[in-house]
Amino acid sequence: QKEVEQDPGPLSVPEGAIVSLNCTYSNSAFQYFMWYRQYSRKGPELLMYTYSSGNKEDGRFTAQVDKSSKYISLFIRDSQPSDSATYLCAPNTGNQFYFGTGTSLTVIP
Amino acid sequence: KAGVTQTPRYLIKTRGQQVTLSCSPISGHRSVSWYQQTPGQGLQFLFEYFSETQRNKGNFPGRFSGRQFSNSRSEMNVSTLELGDSALYLCASSLSSGLVYEQYFGPGTRLTVT
Repeated sequence: QKEVEQDPGPLSVPEGAIVSLNCTYSNSAFQYFMWYRQYSRKGPELLMYTYSSGNKEDGRFTAQVDKSSKYISLFIRDSQPSDSATYLCAPNTGNQFYFGTGTSLTVIP
Repeated sequence: KAGVTQTPRYLIKTRGQQVTLSCSPISGHRSVSWYQQTPGQGLQFLFEYFSETQRNKGNFPGRFSGRQFSNSRSEMNVSTLELGDSALYLCASSLSSGLVYEQYFGPGTRLTVT
């Protein structure tokens, strides 16, 4: 069983839509839950992270973690064409990352 | 402040050859991690170096090795290349080991093995 499972998509939405990106994980030792955004031909960049369970909001982005069901979500409100990228979830133990394969998102103007 | 730089950006090698990739971390960062990214497996952790010492290692064969120099620059070497080694190799730096939320990635080196 993989440490992290993520639907690769692709996901295509109209501009202004609410986007939901999700991951499941298997390791109960994960403490930090990161989301990275990767544009084409670039390295991943850290979007936001949460520690343990709960929600965290940053502008149009909300990260949610449910440790009881081992489920991680990223919500994007009022999606913009500039949000078109691959989004990777990355739960980790504090020492080592485990990345999802990424979900490719396209926001259509 | 300059970001993480990786050289070369693109590389084509033949099966059986070896390759060395280079990573220069952000100034002041002492930890460098290497990852392999492929469409099917996603990002997989190779190893992390901190103060010239390997701190963590992923589940890759011994053909994959690395080192870090006193100026924190790091190199990754892959010997006896296989077709399956074709991937984007990413380097990430952070201030210190364990501060995983502060990792900054470089643009990667695209390796193609023919």
